[in-house]
Amino acid sequence: QKEVEQNSGPLSVPEGAIASLNCTYSDRGSQSFFWYRQYSGKSPELIMFIYSNGDKEDGRFTAQLNKASQYVSLLIRDSQPSDSATYLCAVPRGGSNYKLTFGKGTLLTVNP
Amino acid sequence: GAVVSQHPSRVICKSGTSVKIECRSLDFQATTMFWYRQFPKQSLMLMATSNEGSKATYEQGVEKDKFLINHASLTLSTLTVTSAHPEDSSFYICSANRGGDSNQPQHFGDGTRLSIL
Repeated sequence: QKEVEQNSGPLSVPEGAIASLNCTYSDRGSQSFFWYRQYSGKSPELIMFIYSNGDKEDGRFTAQLNKASQYVSLLIRDSQPSDSATYLCAVPRGGSNYKLTFGKGTLLTVNP
Repeated sequence: GAVVSQHPSRVICKSGTSVKIECRSLDFQATTMFWYRQFPKQSLMLMATSNEGSKATYEQGVEKDKFLINHASLTLSTLTVTSAHPEDSSFYICSANRGGDSNQPQHFGDGTRLSIL
């Protein structure tokens, strides 16, 4: 079983819609979870991080964590064409933030 | 603003050349930095952990003699790709935890695109 799994997509949504990105992880000991956005040819940019079960909201972004089910999701409300990018889920190894394991990423396209 | 600076952003050189990439933490000290490599349409793969004042820790399958890491100060780590060959062409990215705090997320440099002819 892969450590961090994401649907590679592509996920296509119309402008203004809600984009839902999902990630599952295998290490039950993981304590923190990160979502990064990566535009083509660029390095990853931190979008959200979440430590506790439940929802965490920041502007148009909401991260949802369910440790019992071992999944973390990212919702993007009112999607904009500028949100079109690959979204990477990252989970620390062994409970330490020092080493991250990345999923393969989900390519999101927001159509005007 | 940027918290991690990486230089150069792009390198094109002949096979057999050694290439040095610098990663600097801005306005904070980083006892630990990380080096990743990303091939086209693939995710980031951790190559090594750079430790200030001690030897780097390499991930399985990464040749330590090929990818030399030096972390001589609390704000600078360098990755040297020795005798680079076309198969080393990739996107190399460094990262650091702001303030060296393991509870803080990692921030990435802008990356270095290495092309070996």
